Amino acid sequence: AQKITQTQPGMFVQEKEAVTLDCTYDTSDPSYGLFWYKQPSSGEMIFLIYQGSYDQQNATEGRYSLNFQKARKSANLVISASQLGDSAMYFCAMRIQTGANNLFFGTGTRLTVIP
Amino acid sequence: DTEVTQTPKHLVMGMTNKKSLKCEQHMGHRAMYWYKQKAKKPPELMFVYSYEKLSINESVPSRFSPECPNSSLLNLHLHALQPEDSALYLCASRPLGGVNEKLFFGSGTQLSVL
Repeated sequence: AQKITQTQPGMFVQEKEAVTLDCTYDTSDPSYGLFWYKQPSSGEMIFLIYQGSYDQQNATEGRYSLNFQKARKSANLVISASQLGDSAMYFCAMRIQTGANNLFFGTGTRLTVIP
Repeated sequence: DTEVTQTPKHLVMGMTNKKSLKCEQHMGHRAMYWYKQKAKKPPELMFVYSYEKLSINESVPSRFSPECPNSSLLNLHLHALQPEDSALYLCASRPLGGVNEKLFFGSGTQLSVL
């Protein structure tokens, strides 16, 4: 069975500082993808970054980077230079090759950026 | 056009009403999804359509009836709902491919059942 764990229900960060949101996963499938989504209070799920299980380098997208440690089965999101607009729920999600239609979500972390 | 459009944005209905949620995308995606999200919880998968055919039904009660009339449109028909069905209903789509294909989400329909 697949499992995604986000152990931080809430996080606070000072504006302009960096913050790391934790995500661990469990799967026996060797081919999988890991995603991070942001959900502001408006409700829309916004894609941030993707990491594939066979990718050799950590993914980066602007201020977002993914600290992928395959042996530890962790895929932490790092947000640099936090902005007030980064305040939102953040979900880690995983898709495996077998049954690729499903996307499993973690429980989420609420990030609050403090001015 | 890289949007998934959901209507209505808000819906209030009684337990005896029949209503429908609509989702539309024009990105040529052949997989479309319905998720249900309760407050402060992650989205829960309800249904997946691949090539306009239902491929996943996560044991959803029959009072929720999905329909995919064409490759751009996805509906969710609602009948005899319960107050506990009040939630945010999210539609999503993606190209059919490997594990790297991200889901594009709509902004959701906030449903209240009275």
